[in-house]
Amino acid sequence: NAGVTQTPKFQVLKTGQSMTLQCAQDMNHNSMYWYRQDPGMGLRLIYYSASEGTTDKGEVPNGYNVSRLNKREFSLRLESAAPSQTSVYFCASSATLSGGPTDTQYFGPGTRLTVL
Amino acid sequence: GQSLEQPSEVTAVEGAIVQINCTYQTSGFYGLSWYQQHDGGAPTFLSYNALDGLEETGRFSSFLSRSDSYGYLLLQELQMKDSASYFCAVRDLYSTLTFGKGTMLLVSP
Repeated sequence: NAGVTQTPKFQVLKTGQSMTLQCAQDMNHNSMYWYRQDPGMGLRLIYYSASEGTTDKGEVPNGYNVSRLNKREFSLRLESAAPSQTSVYFCASSATLSGGPTDTQYFGPGTRLTVL
Repeated sequence: GQSLEQPSEVTAVEGAIVQINCTYQTSGFYGLSWYQQHDGGAPTFLSYNALDGLEETGRFSSFLSRSDSYGYLLLQELQMKDSASYFCAVRDLYSTLTFGKGTMLLVSP
């Protein structure tokens, strides 16, 4: 069991470039999430997918798009990267999003993105 | 909306006991969770409280008082490896988990 995997681990982009961050989980979880983490800001939710076929905005969705490709995979796309998107990006998954201990989230190792 | 408050930094020595507090504002409360994150690593789940009282898992315990919108994480017999950031998180009826900004715990010899 690999848990939650993310690619790439590191990325440097120039302003205006696009890229897609990939995330996959092998725990048969229904719900998946994308967060960004900036110093002193904690984890902020960008988008989430409560179940396959659905996606919803989180706290900071501007500048991002997501695709829930299937139950295992949830990708995050930056269409035109900006320096303000320099951050560490974490993908997470949980069995459910229904309230209770099965909402416990399991995180991937993160992608460290720098936009110049 | 939801908001959480926790101290930004706590320091302690090896072998000591430390308590990290968390106060929250939310509606339709579903539970308080704690996550640990070592520098450069991914957050990992520590504990979950849905009901008032103390939950114990080895050296770590977590407490919740729903009437006071307050909880804490208690770490006993501190070890150097406990140096990390600790996040409390709440979920309400209308949204996903909201994380606090984190408490950096520094354990010294």
